Amino acid sequence: AIWMTQSPSLLSASTGDRVTISCRMSQGISSYLAWYQQKPGKAPELLIYAASTLQSGVPSRFSGSGSGTDFTLTISCLQSEDFATYYCQQYYSFPPTFGQGTKLEIK
Amino acid sequence: EVQLVESGGGLVQPGGSLRLSCAASGFTVSSNYMSWVRQAPGKGLEWVSVIYSGGSTYYADSVKGRFTISRHNSKNTLYLQMNSLRAEDTAVYYCARDSSGAPVGYFDLWGRGTLVTVSS
Repeated sequence: AIWMTQSPSLLSASTGDRVTISCRMSQGISSYLAWYQQKPGKAPELLIYAASTLQSGVPSRFSGSGSGTDFTLTISCLQSEDFATYYCQQYYSFPPTFGQGTKLEIK
Repeated sequence: EVQLVESGGGLVQPGGSLRLSCAASGFTVSSNYMSWVRQAPGKGLEWVSVIYSGGSTYYADSVKGRFTISRHNSKNTLYLQMNSLRAEDTAVYYCARDSSGAPVGYFDLWGRGTLVTVSS
């Protein structure tokens, strides 16, 4: 299985900040990476797939980049509703696997 | 409205069985790749099983031989039969749709989840 390391595990930021979350893969996965947002007590929601394609309805302040082994999720101007936990997921090979999550909290 | 609604979770003793259901609306389960993904309390996400539109099924090593995924086409419902349950199976179980069309994909629609607790 392909494993990923997300960093940081915990990120403190303020409304209006620009933040980046990293996801590093144990092997190259081309652009077969998705990002999800999960709020407490709720199901994950798809934000980005194919490393940089924004899911319909997701605000443009979210963006993704990277290919191969290194990927980033950027939120350009944090809003209050963005404080949540974020997960990356690879779908290059079976089984699909998720990162351990990055909790984004209010500073 | 396009949605997934899980049910069937609860408290079960180690070694016991439980069947989860996931009712879909607004789209056809049998035309999509459908998965179960679980999340242990305070932990990350773990893929559990998938059923492809053609009917093929696959499982995570951690549940292989104990869990069975299936669907009922006329009820537009996905199931997960869980046998020989262990404490480490305790989690919220989500059903999720994969619309990528690829053998391994991403999940664009999730249910709200159902909690399974395995404890004596």
